[in-house]
Amino acid sequence: DGGITQSPKYLFRKEGQNVTLSCEQNLNHDAMYWYRQDPGQGLRLIYYSQIVNDFQKGDIAEGYSVSREKKESFPLTVTSAQKNPTAFYLCASRARTGLYGYTFGSGTRLTVV
Amino acid sequence: AQKITQTQPGMFVQEKEAVTLDCTYDTSDPSYGLFWYKQPSSGEMIFLIYQGSYDQQNATEGRYSLNFQKARKSANLVISASQLGDSAMYFCAMRGILQNYGQNFVFGPGTRLSVLP
Repeated sequence: DGGITQSPKYLFRKEGQNVTLSCEQNLNHDAMYWYRQDPGQGLRLIYYSQIVNDFQKGDIAEGYSVSREKKESFPLTVTSAQKNPTAFYLCASRARTGLYGYTFGSGTRLTVV
Repeated sequence: AQKITQTQPGMFVQEKEAVTLDCTYDTSDPSYGLFWYKQPSSGEMIFLIYQGSYDQQNATEGRYSLNFQKARKSANLVISASQLGDSAMYFCAMRGILQNYGQNFVFGPGTRLSVLP
């Protein structure tokens, strides 16, 4: 079945470390997105990519980096510059055209220890 | 700019009763889509229902229906015969057709629904 796989489900990071969250989709979707969700809050856009080798900053890109070397993959790196990285991270994708919604992954919960 | 407003941070409903979750939106796009997602405590976002701005009839999907009032810019979600498993966060979202499609999917702040036995 087609879908989006995020891994790991839970991730712990020490102060000063970079960590990378994985997002893989087999839906043949062009566009992929990373969102951050804090407890009891809505979704905030970190980065998005419309096509391979291209990506754009969202509303809260500082302290994060991404790459899009393959259509299927859109990993997110949380760098040591992100001062408050503890949050729930959701990856999403959708088809390039039409008024279609997102397909979401199951999320990664990142905690700084 | 596009914006979604959900004015109910939390709602309670008795099991087997119907409940309406409010959503109002603002957009200058002539064509747009409205979506509702459910997020249970496990965290995944589950697509519930979609309404296109030019659709003549209100969307329905099983126990979910969307009360779309275009002139009032509202897209309320109605859940009939609530079940305990409906307890979750519910997000209203919108996507316009004209703007850069990377940035134009907007989410509301969400409503937490609790179903009481």
